Amino acid sequence: NAGVTQTPKFRILKIGQSMTLQCAQDMNHNYMYWYRQDPGMGLKLIYYSVGAGITDKGEVPNGYNVSRSTTEDFPLRLELAAPSQTSVYFCASLNGQAYTDTQYFGPGTRLTVL
Amino acid sequence: GENVEQHPSTLSVQEGDSAVIKCTYSDSASNYFPWYKQELGKGPQLIIDIRSNVGEKKDQRIAVTLNKTAKHFSLHITETQPEDSAVYFCAAYPGNQFYFGTGTSLTVIP
Repeated sequence: NAGVTQTPKFRILKIGQSMTLQCAQDMNHNYMYWYRQDPGMGLKLIYYSVGAGITDKGEVPNGYNVSRSTTEDFPLRLELAAPSQTSVYFCASLNGQAYTDTQYFGPGTRLTVL
Repeated sequence: GENVEQHPSTLSVQEGDSAVIKCTYSDSASNYFPWYKQELGKGPQLIIDIRSNVGEKKDQRIAVTLNKTAKHFSLHITETQPEDSAVYFCAAYPGNQFYFGTGTSLTVIP
């Protein structure tokens, strides 16, 4: 099991560019999450999904889009990158109910927008 | 939405001493409280969790306590070791998404 994988590990974007952060899990988990982590701050939820074809907004969804066409993949799309989107992005997954399962995190993608 | 506050933001202890990190939450619907350890350059990893129907849980050198009335929960690490040095996050789950504290950077001095 690779667990939760994320690509790329690092990326520098220019203002206005777009990119997709990839996330995949091989544990057949239903729930998947995208978080951003800013220095000195906790993780903020951007979007989450409870299964293929179902997504919902978290605390900070503006400037991002997601899709979930398969159980395994949950890509995060940044359109028109802005300096405020400079952050470390983490993808996570868990099987079912949060209080009976462990939430597994990927290694993160460090994004800089200049 | 839920608001989770975490203190202190930094903590230094001598090896072998205990460390305590405290969190408060605002939403009485929160029923699950995990703690995560994040090492440099890695994603957070669950180290212990507690449900709202339990007051205390222990796993070897780490323990978590929960006071539902006061809406606060704490992480206790005893006999600290240098490998405990990391950033620790608390979180609360009111049933739809996780809300995280701002993290505590723990340094264990050999």
